[in-house]
Amino acid sequence: EDQVTQSPEALRLQEGESSSLNCSYTVSGLRGLFWYRQDPGKGPEFLFTLYSAGEEKEKERLKATLTKKESFLHITAPKPEDSATYLCAVQAGDSWGKLQFGAGTQVVVTP
Amino acid sequence: DAGVIQSPRHEVTEMGQEVTLRCKPISGHDYLFWYRQTMMRGLELLIYFNNNVPIDDSGMPEDRFSAKMPNASFSTLKIQPSEPRDSAVYFCASSFDAGGTEQFFGPGTRLTVL
Repeated sequence: EDQVTQSPEALRLQEGESSSLNCSYTVSGLRGLFWYRQDPGKGPEFLFTLYSAGEEKEKERLKATLTKKESFLHITAPKPEDSATYLCAVQAGDSWGKLQFGAGTQVVVTP
Repeated sequence: DAGVIQSPRHEVTEMGQEVTLRCKPISGHDYLFWYRQTMMRGLELLIYFNNNVPIDDSGMPEDRFSAKMPNASFSTLKIQPSEPRDSAVYFCASSFDAGGTEQFFGPGTRLTVL
């Protein structure tokens, strides 16, 4: 059975203190790995899609990387506005259209 | 475009009542997804449609749940009868395709069943 595990569950950072979030997965034939950001009371907002091991994508202070077993979301010099829950999701090769989400990492960045 | 529109934003009902959640996807998107989010189970896919046709409903918890998409601009998720364990935030999302493109999520409907 496909599984997505995110760690840590929660992360508290000082402004400017860089850190990484982990998403480990077991899936039969990864088609894509997705990162979303979710603010309280809102729907998830797309950040990145990664397709193959070794791939990296960046957006402002965020950088996502992918290996054959896990993905990392690096937050460089975070600001308070980066506070959110970050969700990882996988799409298996035999489950076209279906995203399986992890439980998320809640990030709080304090000034 | 206004994005994915969901209504109502909040719904409080009593156990046994019928609940209908509504969604208007982004114009031109061929795929529509219904998700449920709870603290215990996280974000789960319930069902998705392609060109108004249900493709995979394996996530629908039981027969009390049903979803329809009568046209490209409207979908409903119905729970009849509702139970307290159905309390959750229900999200609708749409996308151009089912592959690596992003899914655009609506603001969600917070359902409370008393």
